[in-house]
Amino acid sequence: DIQMTQSPSTLSASVGDRVTITCRASQSISSWLAWYQQKAGKAPKLLIYKASSLESGVPSRFSGSGSGTEFTLTISSLQPDDFATYYCQQYNSYSWTFGQGTKVEIK
Amino acid sequence: EVQLLESGGGLVQPGGSLRLSCVGSGFNFRSYAMSWVRQAPGKGLEWVSAISGSGDSTYYADSVKGRFTTSRDNSKNTLYAQMNSLRAEDTAVYYCARDQVRGGSYSGIFHYWGQGTLVTVSS
Repeated sequence: DIQMTQSPSTLSASVGDRVTITCRASQSISSWLAWYQQKAGKAPKLLIYKASSLESGVPSRFSGSGSGTEFTLTISSLQPDDFATYYCQQYNSYSWTFGQGTKVEIK
Repeated sequence: EVQLLESGGGLVQPGGSLRLSCVGSGFNFRSYAMSWVRQAPGKGLEWVSAISGSGDSTYYADSVKGRFTTSRDNSKNTLYAQMNSLRAEDTAVYYCARDQVRGGSYSGIFHYWGQGTLVTVSS
């Protein structure tokens, strides 16, 4: 199986900060990567797919980039509603795997 | 509006069985592949299984292969997970998720999610 590794595991930031989360794949997955946001006690929500395509309705402050084995999720200006846990997920092969998650906390 | 509603979770002893259901509404159920994704308490997300729109194709994570069976009844807009030989490590919230792409095949992108149902395996 393809292993996905996110960094950092926890990130402390303030409202208005630019935030970047990194996701690395154990082998090339081309651009077959999605990002999800999960708030406590809630189901995950799709933010980005195909590495950089923004899901409909998701604010433009979210962006994704990368290909191959290294990817990033960027929040250009952190808002109060963005404090949550973020997961990357590869869908390159029929054994889809998630990163371990990055929790974005209030500084 | 797309809605997914899971049910069937509960407390079960190790070695026992449980069947989860997920009813979909607001979309053409048979046109989309569906998956089960689980989350152990305080842990991350783990994909469990997927089934094509027609139900003629399934995939499973190694951790559940041979113990779990995913099926669907498109006439009832319902997805199922039959879970046998349950272990303590199967304790988790189980989410059903709809694929992003219409057509019945897999994209692997989990577009819509249910609210989840908790399965606890304990004696």
